[in-house]
Amino acid sequence: DAGITQSPRYKITETGRQVTLMCHQTWSHSYMFWYRQDLGHGLRLIYYSAAADITDKGEVPDGYVVSRSKTENFPLTLESATRSQTSVYFCASSPGYSNQPQHFGDGTRLSIL
Amino acid sequence: GNSVTQMEGPVTLSEEAFLTINCTYTATGYPSLFWYVQYPGEGLQLLLKATKADDKGSNKGFEATYRKETTSFHLEKGSVQVSDSAVYFCALSSQQGGSEKLVFGKGTKLTVNP
Repeated sequence: DAGITQSPRYKITETGRQVTLMCHQTWSHSYMFWYRQDLGHGLRLIYYSAAADITDKGEVPDGYVVSRSKTENFPLTLESATRSQTSVYFCASSPGYSNQPQHFGDGTRLSIL
Repeated sequence: GNSVTQMEGPVTLSEEAFLTINCTYTATGYPSLFWYVQYPGEGLQLLLKATKADDKGSNKGFEATYRKETTSFHLEKGSVQVSDSAVYFCALSSQQGGSEKLVFGKGTKLTVNP
């Protein structure tokens, strides 16, 4: 089915571990985004990508790494997880025009112990 | 820089009450404006949008009008239902460095009681 899929939906890991969150979209949208959602902060942009092999930092990029070798995939990696990275992570995609909305996945709830 | 300010919740209403969630923005140029809704355990869904001044976006009984003179995009619904309980986000499109991004408000949690 067409759409945007995030995996896993839930993840528990320990501090210092590496963890990768996956995001896959079937619309061939050029833009993809990663956000984190925390109480009191709303959604904050971590990284975004305008096309395959083009990525750029958002508001809160420290501690995260992204790659985009294929248009449809945009994985987010926490290289050495910290408790402050416990959050709900959302991936989104859009065609990239200002009058077009972003489409969101259902999120990954990540807990770091 | 561009920013969005929306009324802080939570907002609690009885079924069939009138809803207003205020949203004001600061932006250069002519951004598009959006309202997103997030139901429990789900991602954000587009509720409505407006792309130029005086446009009215509407969907599922919700409305919002793009007011450039007051830099506002308030969300309204005449008669809320229990199923409208969710978190609502106001957002504007922002072009920075040649890339289109969304700037979000912090969200307003709405609870509708039967």
